[in-house]
Amino acid sequence: DQQVKQNSPSLSVQEGRISILNCDYTNSMFDYFLWYKKYPAEGPTFLISISSIKDKNEDGRFTVFLNKSAKHLSLHIVPSQPGDSAVYFCAASGEGNYQLIWGAGTKLIIKP
Amino acid sequence: DAGITQSPRHKVTETGTPVTLRCHQTENHRYMYWYRQDPGHGLRLIHYSYGVKDTDKGEVSDGYSVSRSKTEDFLLTLESATSSQTSVYFCAISLDRGPYGYTFGSGTRLTVV
Repeated sequence: DQQVKQNSPSLSVQEGRISILNCDYTNSMFDYFLWYKKYPAEGPTFLISISSIKDKNEDGRFTVFLNKSAKHLSLHIVPSQPGDSAVYFCAASGEGNYQLIWGAGTKLIIKP
Repeated sequence: DAGITQSPRHKVTETGTPVTLRCHQTENHRYMYWYRQDPGHGLRLIHYSYGVKDTDKGEVSDGYSVSRSKTEDFLLTLESATSSQTSVYFCAISLDRGPYGYTFGSGTRLTVV
């Protein structure tokens, strides 16, 4: 039973528009959430994170929103650029258990 | 780069043979992790280490063992490879125990035939 779900295996967005990647979780004990980006033949790299005490965190073109009541988080990329084409993973951890639980990933394709 | 390398990058092996994957870091980070990535599953933790000779199991540890005799090296061994262990294996390091600050290697693609 997957505790972290990314229901869209892929997403195609026009360059310059907003990309929205979604992630749902089932474990209410999760209190820290992260997004990683992965290019082919490379390992994942950290992108942005959010603690459960916040509902929004912003870093340049990237913003993560957390809705605890809905157990949902989203990553917004504005504006989308060709270099953003990658697989994006959502991950979560709970207090006292620092192991990361990962979603299956969403492949983002930015069209020129 | 953060100074983490995995070897080999690609390997094809036969069912029933033992296989060892190596993770080497130059960052002197205390924590090291082995993950596997499969389609539809994201990354799943196999084993992790919190110091020399200190290791513990992750969620998918069956069929795998690890060793850490030096801070910089973390070895993953498939005792008798099976086709279900065909996967991409990632090593990661972190300075602290928390869920942040992970740096990943580039991965090892293992095919068991």
